[in-house]
Amino acid sequence: GDSVTQMEGPVTLSEEAFLTINCTYTATGYPSLFWYVQYPGEGLQLLLKATKADDKGSNKGFEATYRKETTSFHLEKGSVQVSDSAVYFCALSVAGAQKLVFGQGTRLTINP
Amino acid sequence: GAVVSQHPSRVICKSGTSVKIECRSLDFQATTMFWYRQFPKQSLMLMATSNEGSKATYEQGVEKDKFLINHASLTLSTLTVTSAHPEDSSFYICSASGRDYNEQFFGPGTRLTVL
Repeated sequence: GDSVTQMEGPVTLSEEAFLTINCTYTATGYPSLFWYVQYPGEGLQLLLKATKADDKGSNKGFEATYRKETTSFHLEKGSVQVSDSAVYFCALSVAGAQKLVFGQGTRLTINP
Repeated sequence: GAVVSQHPSRVICKSGTSVKIECRSLDFQATTMFWYRQFPKQSLMLMATSNEGSKATYEQGVEKDKFLINHASLTLSTLTVTSAHPEDSSFYICSASGRDYNEQFFGPGTRLTVL
């Protein structure tokens, strides 16, 4: 079946460091790929998405490129801030937004 | 983005009792609502999908009689955990999507603890 595997956490970085959170997937169809972020005490929010191969999703300085050849959708940010501390979830959907399959989440902590 | 609320945010109950969790879309009409369960340090697992006015579609392995889902209006869905047991303790999250959206909007979650 469809599944998402993402980098195990927790991840702790210093402010202004470069961030990469790895995400790979398996899917029977042609999925759309998503990154969600969950700040403390809040619900999941869509951070960025990509719907076809080689698409790059970007938002708030975060980027991820849909790599079909490596079945990956790694999340990157060039310079993290303390306010980026949160749990990040990689997800896929094969049928639009109607059914999401999530990775296990990666907790990111940024120290000043 | 659209806002989804959940109530209560946390609940503690005794084994054998039933607990109802509400999920509301505050500023849009939610034609579809989803219920997820999240165990500590694990991913969100979809439990069921409900369309307004229709019976919910449950994922494999989810007991329909234990997790009752009602989606009676375009702004409200409820999940009732019947005869709760300690193994039902978990974090329950709802999400909603509407006709004008192609993404799901998530509630903040409800922490259920069954003693």
